[in-house]
Amino acid sequence: QQQVKQSPQSLIVQKGGISIINCAYENTAFDYFPWYQQFPGKGPALLIAIRPDVSEKKEGRFTISFNKSAKQFSLHIMDSQPGDSATYFCAASDSGTYKYIFGTGTRLKVLA
Amino acid sequence: DAGVIQSPRHEVTEMGQEVTLRCKPISGHNSLFWYRQTMMRGLELLIYFNNNVPIDDSGMPEDRFSAKMPNASFSTLKIQPSEPRDSAVYFCASSLTSVETQYFGPGTRLLVL
Repeated sequence: QQQVKQSPQSLIVQKGGISIINCAYENTAFDYFPWYQQFPGKGPALLIAIRPDVSEKKEGRFTISFNKSAKQFSLHIMDSQPGDSATYFCAASDSGTYKYIFGTGTRLKVLA
Repeated sequence: DAGVIQSPRHEVTEMGQEVTLRCKPISGHNSLFWYRQTMMRGLELLIYFNNNVPIDDSGMPEDRFSAKMPNASFSTLKIQPSEPRDSAVYFCASSLTSVETQYFGPGTRLLVL
């Protein structure tokens, strides 16, 4: 019940295309869903986050869509660029606790 | 702010040796986390400190691992003795409070031969 399932494991997208990464969770107590971006040799960096009081959050080319009833959330990268090539991790937490449950990561490669 | 600082960035050691990883959290953050990242297991929380006090060390794999936070600006993760299966990237993260966003350091890549 503590797991966050992330898919796909890897993704190849053409420049200008849309990258979509999906995550699903079981624990209904989760109420904070951050996405982290990690470049090779670097630490994960917060990209965007959402709470379940909204169904969508957009920051530039990055959008989180959230479906509370399905217990799923996804990251959409519009107009994907080669510089977006990185590993993306979704996570979930219960804001009453400190513990993040991370997905297994998606390695995105955007072809020039 | 300089962000979370970790040292060393890379460490190569031989099995049986002691390894000490260091972390300086973001100033003013009262929560500090140590994670381990491997291909097989992904990101695992090892230990969590709040106001310099260890709150949850349930992720520490075994007694060979220990962590300290002697003050608000410094923490160490020690492995003694190290084993090849400890090879991984170790991240330190800090947050303003226990429920705020966690900010990760650049990591220490550890290789135990």
